[in-house]
Amino acid sequence: RKEVEQDPGPFNVPEGATVAFNCTYSNSASQSFFWYRQDCRKEPKLLMSVYSSGNEDGRFTAQLNRASQYISLLIRDSKLSDSATYLCAVNTLSGSARQLTFGSGTQLTVLP
Amino acid sequence: DGGITQSPKYLFRKEGQNVTLSCEQNLNHDAMYWYRQDPGQGLRLIYYSQIVNDFQKGDIAEGYSVSREKKESFPLTVTSAQKNPTAFYLCASSIDGVQPQHFGDGTRLSIL
Repeated sequence: RKEVEQDPGPFNVPEGATVAFNCTYSNSASQSFFWYRQDCRKEPKLLMSVYSSGNEDGRFTAQLNRASQYISLLIRDSKLSDSATYLCAVNTLSGSARQLTFGSGTQLTVLP
Repeated sequence: DGGITQSPKYLFRKEGQNVTLSCEQNLNHDAMYWYRQDPGQGLRLIYYSQIVNDFQKGDIAEGYSVSREKKESFPLTVTSAQKNPTAFYLCASSIDGVQPQHFGDGTRLSIL
């Protein structure tokens, strides 16, 4: 089983739709969680950290469910500019160092 | 401007040749990372360094080498032992390995 798994999509949604992505992780000792956005042929950029109580940044809401070991990202009122690949990342202590493990990404296309 | 600078943007390797990818950061971050991304795939960790003069292998270290002689610099050498080096290489840094990682804009390596 992969350490971090995401539905690869693609998700094709109309403008204005609400879309949700999930990401499951296998290591219950994982300590911090993030969502990154990656545009085609570009580097990933941090979208938001995911806090235990859930957090919101404008149209974006991130949630963490430690019991079921998943994180989610909700995008409301989708814009054309939201089209990208969304990567979840899980930070886990490995030996004496922390490693960030990425999911393989979920591709989103917002259609006019 | 503060950030992570990777060079070159594009690199071509001849068979049997070692090539070195540069990564420099002026963010005063302790932790630095190298990832490889293949088309349509997530990021895989090659090497990481939590502190100067120390580094650890990631999941796919074979055929690669690194050094961390200065806090600002974490060069990656792709050796001739890496038989399939064509990929997008991303360098990242984090204040302490717990805070989110931020990425350089990557180097695309191809075989001639």
